[in-house]
Amino acid sequence: DAGVTQSPTHLIKTRGQHVTLRCSPISGHKSVSWYQQVLGQGPQFIFQYYEKEERGRGNFPDRFSARQFPNYSSELNVNALLLGDSALYLCASSWGPHNEQFFGPGTRLTVL
Amino acid sequence: RKEVEQDPGPFNVPEGATVAFNCTYSNSASQSFFWYRQDCRKEPKLLMSVYSSGNEDGRFTAQLNRASQYISLLIRDSKLSDSATYLCVVNDDNDMRFGAGTRLTVKP
Repeated sequence: DAGVTQSPTHLIKTRGQHVTLRCSPISGHKSVSWYQQVLGQGPQFIFQYYEKEERGRGNFPDRFSARQFPNYSSELNVNALLLGDSALYLCASSWGPHNEQFFGPGTRLTVL
Repeated sequence: RKEVEQDPGPFNVPEGATVAFNCTYSNSASQSFFWYRQDCRKEPKLLMSVYSSGNEDGRFTAQLNRASQYISLLIRDSKLSDSATYLCVVNDDNDMRFGAGTRLTVKP
């Protein structure tokens, strides 16, 4: 069975640009969560979606937005990129919002 | 105070050693708990869930103390392949909160 997939794997953007990251969950999983991880720190929670509804939001500015589609895949959008947005963006899927989460390989975003 | 706190380490141990990691969390209403491991430049991988009664998976034992808001992971008979960063994870109602991780290096 395929695990969580994310695209693209790497991305280079400049300040002020916009980026869209994509995630496909494990088949049958209805919950998708997004995290930001910078070097030396644990993943920081950005969003959780369950059954296409936003269930939780971390302490991130409104420049960050996300959505979940009817097939349970998800997109994370970041507007007006800042240098500090450079990080590994991880997507995780689970059966439900409190179940074990399984991570994709991440998208490494570099903002110049 | 951080919501999920771990000793950052690093822990450097010889093969065969027993090593224990601790984690404390601040939200007494937290509902579920996990340990993940993360290899360098890779995604976190689920190691085990943590149950109130304690649970074991081979060389790994996890325990939860809700009264003290404390989680532990014990690794027995360490292998070189156990070298990684171990992340304590606490699930509140709406999000999963990760500790910063504890770095373990197992040496020959």
